[in-house]
Amino acid sequence: SQQGEEDPQALSIQEGENATMNCSYKTSINNLQWYRQNSGRGLVHLILIRSNEREKHSGRLRVTLDTSKKSSSLLITASRAADTASYFCATDASGGYQKVTFGTGTKLQVIP
Amino acid sequence: EPEVTQTPSHQVTQMGQEVILRCVPISNHLYFYWYRQILGQKVEFLVSFYNNEISEKSEIFDDQFSVERPDGSNFTLKIRSTKLEDSAMYFCASSDGSFGNTIYFGEGSWLTVV
Repeated sequence: SQQGEEDPQALSIQEGENATMNCSYKTSINNLQWYRQNSGRGLVHLILIRSNEREKHSGRLRVTLDTSKKSSSLLITASRAADTASYFCATDASGGYQKVTFGTGTKLQVIP
Repeated sequence: EPEVTQTPSHQVTQMGQEVILRCVPISNHLYFYWYRQILGQKVEFLVSFYNNEISEKSEIFDDQFSVERPDGSNFTLKIRSTKLEDSAMYFCASSDGSFGNTIYFGEGSWLTVV
């Protein structure tokens, strides 16, 4: 089964605006992680939220998790041009955290 | 901050040739992973490795692929006979395996099969 479908697929905003990306998944999870990928580069870990947590903050990032709806959102506040990247959610299935499965990603463009 | 390092950063190989991609995971980590990303597509899980054996693998990880931890620091992915469709970015990752574990990724190795 496919885990982690993000929407929107692409998002274009002006610098200073907030960006919200959503992720839905299908099976029960232990944790959900968000990663950023600049074009052609590696995956940078942003934030991890556990299944028993509902909200988490890190700097300009805010992540929410609704396990009843099997969904998560990533909010980037006061966006900057440097935030331009693809953002992926990744989930590990409940019962074992030996792999994470990535979603399809949201491509964010922040226009200066 | 400790990081996962991968070599080479880019390799071009002839179809049918063997390729070995190398990774040095974070030193106190116990779980190791390989993922791949075909250009413009999603990141796909290949294999996880723990306690010197494969703990899980995907359907992509067929007999052409193998992994090894030849010493205490390196973790390798071997593709025995490369195909054009193996062209992708290959990411190595590691985690300490604790609950709520963060998986840290390397910068990736671009493999181009011609």
